[in-house]
Amino acid sequence: GDSVTQMEGPVTLSEEAFLTINCTYTATGYPSLFWYVQYPGEGLQLLLKATKADDKGSNKGFEATYRKETTSFHLEKGSVQVSDSAVYFCALSGDSSYKLIFGSGTRLLVRP
Amino acid sequence: NAGVTQTPKFRVLKTGQSMTLLCAQDMNHEYMYWYRQDPGMGLRLIHYSVGEGTTAKGEVPDGYNVSRLKKQNFLLGLESAAPSQTSVYFCASSLQGGGRTDTQYFGPGTRLTVL
Repeated sequence: GDSVTQMEGPVTLSEEAFLTINCTYTATGYPSLFWYVQYPGEGLQLLLKATKADDKGSNKGFEATYRKETTSFHLEKGSVQVSDSAVYFCALSGDSSYKLIFGSGTRLLVRP
Repeated sequence: NAGVTQTPKFRVLKTGQSMTLLCAQDMNHEYMYWYRQDPGMGLRLIHYSVGEGTTAKGEVPDGYNVSRLKKQNFLLGLESAAPSQTSVYFCASSLQGGGRTDTQYFGPGTRLTVL
């Protein structure tokens, strides 16, 4: 079945460092790919998404490119801030599915 | 505009007790979902609803029941709680059912502990 694999955390960075959180997926067909973020004590909120190969999703300085050839959707940010500390979830939705399949989440801690 | 709200935020139950978690959304969304979040496992879909009066099973439905009597509310019930149901429960809603392009909006979660 469809699945999502994320790098394990926690990821600890200093402010202004470059961030990469790896995400790879297994799916039939052409899924849509998402990154959700969960700030402490809050629910998940959509950060960015891409619906077809080579699409780049971007929001709040974060970017991810849908790479079908490597089945990846890595999250990047050029300069992280303390306020980016959160748990990041990669997810996919299949060709004809309402259902979101989540990775296990990666906790990011940014220190001043 | 409150979005998606969940009641209660925290709850401790004893094995065998029952409870109901309430989810409410004010965005006039057709689809609603219940997920559970466990350490190292991401979120897993318990049940979902495609509209008022309808419900369907998700990935891990055993031990749970749901009802959608009103479009804006989606209730998750535990009839006889077990320690394996200790988890954080999230409700979500979306305008349409197509996760492919449609955004799911999540509530803040309910942390449930079953002793």
